[in-house]
Amino acid sequence: NAGVTQTPKFQVLKTGQSMTLQCAQDMNHNSMYWYRQDPGMGLRLIYYSASEGTTDKGEVPNGYNVSRLNKREFSLRLESAAPSQTSVYFCASSELKSNQPQHFGDGTRLSIL
Amino acid sequence: AQSVTQPDIHITVSEGASLELRCNYSYGATPYLFWYVQSPGQGLQLLLKYFSGDTLVQGIKGFEAEFKRSQSSFNLRKPSVHWSDAAEYFCAAISTDSWGKLQFGAGTQVVVTP
Repeated sequence: NAGVTQTPKFQVLKTGQSMTLQCAQDMNHNSMYWYRQDPGMGLRLIYYSASEGTTDKGEVPNGYNVSRLNKREFSLRLESAAPSQTSVYFCASSELKSNQPQHFGDGTRLSIL
Repeated sequence: AQSVTQPDIHITVSEGASLELRCNYSYGATPYLFWYVQSPGQGLQLLLKYFSGDTLVQGIKGFEAEFKRSQSSFNLRKPSVHWSDAAEYFCAAISTDSWGKLQFGAGTQVVVTP
């Protein structure tokens, strides 16, 4: 009954370091998403993938890259981390329809010093 | 521009009292609407959703929400709050023709006092 699994759960980086956040879902969903959550701002979409092999920018894509490795996995990469990227990152998945709810992982808490 | 607004950043309620969380949306046409709850250190869990039809929607954990087109609102309610309802609540919306781009409100933090 895993749903959406994110790794790691916590990470501390130094400015300029790179890192990849991993996400996997076992619900056979076509679509996957990456969000960041900052206090007072709700969740903001970074990137999404409608289906395997496609990715698109969301509201706040600068400083990030993504890879849809296969139907199950969708990774988020920070090439050169900056303090402004300190946040809680959530991965989600859903069926490929706008009225289908998104299912969320437990998040990765990332601090950049 | 499309937006979702939760006017209350923080609400304190006594255990056993009723709770109402406000949500207003600004979209050209009525979007699909959702309420999610986030417990500390956890991801978001779907409470309920509105697509069309009956304007009073029942969800999990005893929550319900009422859609009011005239007020562009989708308010969440619970008749009697339990201590376990302390969490952050997010209203979200998506255009019916805008796949994938779910837009969230800023969230309302609910504190439950004994």
